[in-house]
Amino acid sequence: ETGVTQTPRHLVMGMTNKKSLKCEQHLGHNAMYWYKQSAKKPLELMFVYSLEERVENNSVPSRFSPECPNSSHLFLHLHTLQPEDSALYLCASSQERTVPGKNIQYFGAGTRLSVL
Amino acid sequence: AQKVTQAQTEISVVEKEDVTLDCVYETRDTTYYLFWYKQPPSGELVFLIRRNSFDEQNEISGRYSWNFQKSTSSFNFTITASQVVDSAVYFCALSEASHGNKLVFGAGTILRVKS
Repeated sequence: ETGVTQTPRHLVMGMTNKKSLKCEQHLGHNAMYWYKQSAKKPLELMFVYSLEERVENNSVPSRFSPECPNSSHLFLHLHTLQPEDSALYLCASSQERTVPGKNIQYFGAGTRLSVL
Repeated sequence: AQKVTQAQTEISVVEKEDVTLDCVYETRDTTYYLFWYKQPPSGELVFLIRRNSFDEQNEISGRYSWNFQKSTSSFNFTITASQVVDSAVYFCALSEASHGNKLVFGAGTILRVKS
């Protein structure tokens, strides 16, 4: 148990559906992250939030829309996805984003997304 | 430029064998951090260790040990007397102070420990 909980664990959606992934951290951290893990590709950082403000968006298509209503919760809203978006989506949190010694990231178990 | 190379895509060993996972990194910073994470079949990445660039002391934690050598830009991970529960994907990662300490991951090494 890492203190980072992701729901749902598995999701199958059609290309016209709208769904949301949820991440909750119980560690009192100030920074949260979304990563995408595709088969045979390194983990890709998608978004970074620090104190509920988005500080990084790594050229992610607009069909992925993050939301961070408070420092404990992070959402990833999905709409009109493509089959190539099928992947494991991992959420992580860290005490601080850039402070050495306080930026170890702790990960959730991920949401396995399949887009049909 | 930041880069992490894990040249071993997959390793298979028999239980109780020792196994070393290689990690080579590239950085222009003098201040950087190296990490190892374990990803079991359940999916979550489990933090194992972080080292900073100023501390080249090797570290041992139970059956795990890490060998950090700046001269060869390597941060290798050894599991002694491997067990089936060690089967997982292991990721090495680098963060640089000049890049906001953003994590850059290697491609990972799949470790299969057979009984």
